[in-house]
Amino acid sequence: EAQVTQNPRYLITVTGKKLTVTCSQNMNHEYMSWYRQDPGLGLRQIYYSMNVEVTDKGDVPEGYKVSRKEKRNFPLILESPSPNQTSLYFCATGQSEMAPLHFGNGTRLTVT
Amino acid sequence: SQQGEEDPQALSIQEGENATMNCSYKTSINNLQWYRQNSGRGLVHLILIRSNEREKHSGRLRVTLDTSKKSSSLLITASRAADTASYFCAPGTASKLTFGTGTRLQVTL
Repeated sequence: EAQVTQNPRYLITVTGKKLTVTCSQNMNHEYMSWYRQDPGLGLRQIYYSMNVEVTDKGDVPEGYKVSRKEKRNFPLILESPSPNQTSLYFCATGQSEMAPLHFGNGTRLTVT
Repeated sequence: SQQGEEDPQALSIQEGENATMNCSYKTSINNLQWYRQNSGRGLVHLILIRSNEREKHSGRLRVTLDTSKKSSSLLITASRAADTASYFCAPGTASKLTFGTGTRLQVTL
């Protein structure tokens, strides 16, 4: 079954404690991206990757890091989380630049 | 990034009625997509329409695109309670997609 798997689904942490949200896909998609969704602001793109070792900033990259060492994985790293990073995060993948996106089920992050 | 703006922000209809949602965007595009989101879940792709197409159908969904007006519409016919969700338009291609706040559709029995 084609899947985009995010972990964890829920995460509560404290300010400054490094964390990683994982994203894995089994569809051999080239394109992967991270979004955050906040009330009244829609979904905003954090980072995206067009292929292995190729990543680029989206609209709101500050405070986040990503890596794409393998095609199937695209982890989102918060080196020093702050309360303003409390949000619902989604990983999305696509077969190509012109193809529809497939979304994971989301990670709800709370930073206290 | 290219962002679509959906209108209305919220729509409440009865089961069996049609629902129409509109989308406007600002710059030229290659294609435009519509997605659905059930509460707190990941977005699900509904339909993609290319810039050289004017109308596209998929089951009870009908999408139109007017590139001269930079607008699109999504029509859901004979709505069902299960159509209750937020709907988003996304103009452009993968690396440039940003989603607005969507239209929240409520279908009541």
